Amino acid sequence: QQQVKQSPQSLIVQKGGISIINCAYENTAFDYFPWYQQFPGKGPALLIAIRPDVSEKKEGRFTISFNKSAKQFSLHIMDSQPGDSATYFCAAKVNSNSGYALNFGKGTSLLVTP
Amino acid sequence: NAGVTQTPKFRVLKTGQSMTLLCAQDMNHEYMYWYRQDPGMGLRLIHYSVGEGTTAKGEVPDGYNVSRLKKQNFLLGLESAAPSQTSVYFCASSYGTGLLNTEAFFGQGTRLTVV
Repeated sequence: QQQVKQSPQSLIVQKGGISIINCAYENTAFDYFPWYQQFPGKGPALLIAIRPDVSEKKEGRFTISFNKSAKQFSLHIMDSQPGDSATYFCAAKVNSNSGYALNFGKGTSLLVTP
Repeated sequence: NAGVTQTPKFRVLKTGQSMTLLCAQDMNHEYMYWYRQDPGMGLRLIHYSVGEGTTAKGEVPDGYNVSRLKKQNFLLGLESAAPSQTSVYFCASSYGTGLLNTEAFFGQGTRLTVV
């Protein structure tokens, strides 16, 4: 059973536009919510992460918005660039300070057109 | 600074053959994980380990075995490969303790085809 539901499956955005990817979860024990970026032929790499004690985290052009009551979080990519074209995975983890594994969404394939 | 290294990068197996995928990390991480990635399915956890000598089942463990004899290595075995095990396999590791050490680092992946 998918514990983290991600949408959309694919996304096409023009250069300079805003890319928005959404995720939802049910398990209220999740307390760490990272986003991973994966380029073709490479392993996923951490992009940005948030904990539920804050509602927003921004790093450069990437922002996570977190809504604890709705059990939803989203990734916003401002001023999207062709180099951002990749697959993005949201994830969630129970007890962030333990060995519990990440639960991943199914991924969003982002294409930024010139 | 190698990080997480997976061996081999590509492999083709015949149905029924066995093989072992090796994962090595040089970051002194306690926790290690094996995921498989299939189109439209995201990353699904096969097995994981919270320390040397310990392993646990993940979401899709059937048909796989693992061993963690040394802290830096995590082996994934397929005893009798099936076409359903055609996938890209990723190993990951994390330090795991402390608020600043939760990041999971991934290897480059092993693309396995079972014919």
